[in-house]
Amino acid sequence: SAVISQKPSRDICQRGTSLTIQCQVDSQVTMMFWYRQQPGQSLTLIATANQGSEATYESGFVIDKFPISRPNLTFSTLTVSNMSPEDSSIYLCSVRQLKGGNEQFFGPGTRLTVL
Amino acid sequence: DAKTTQPNSMESNEEEPVHLPCNHSTISGTDYIHWYRQLPSQGPEYVIHGLTSNVNNRMASLAIAEDRKSSTLILHRATLRDAAVYYCILTEYKLSFGAGTTVTVRA
Repeated sequence: SAVISQKPSRDICQRGTSLTIQCQVDSQVTMMFWYRQQPGQSLTLIATANQGSEATYESGFVIDKFPISRPNLTFSTLTVSNMSPEDSSIYLCSVRQLKGGNEQFFGPGTRLTVL
Repeated sequence: DAKTTQPNSMESNEEEPVHLPCNHSTISGTDYIHWYRQLPSQGPEYVIHGLTSNVNNRMASLAIAEDRKSSTLILHRATLRDAAVYYCILTEYKLSFGAGTTVTVRA
């Protein structure tokens, strides 16, 4: 199993500012993902965080808006840039091992409100 | 990723079985069938997954049709804690969530 922590757990931000969310895993993991869950909606995959290289973004998400870093196998950050109220969501970090089973683990999420 | 179709909602009584259907007629030969659930105010959690054969674990059972075009998640004895949104997902490695089925358990 993998235990995931995220910081901050919640934040209220002003329009036009940026917020960086941290994801820390208690063990080395092969794959890390970032998801967004808008109010009352299902989860949407933003990107796959790749260690030592640029993240792989899903359709509709771009690096300028959601820059992602992954310096090692246990840590990643997601930045939400130039925020607008439409970015108000829960952002979740998720991890999975390429080997040893297909279970994917999710962090507790970061609840972001943009005013 | 191939798409899945699930009912929007289901209700059950406590301690009764719950059968959650999922249709996936365009499934490919390499797609695994995953089930996750999301309890209120929590991140999703793994329930079960399978490829071709039926699977059992401590949480649930997964029954997969012979042609793999449908599957059923079975919660053998529902408890109030099983009230959640259940997602049926087909994938090799990326999880893409649909709308899921909202399960309500009556005491």
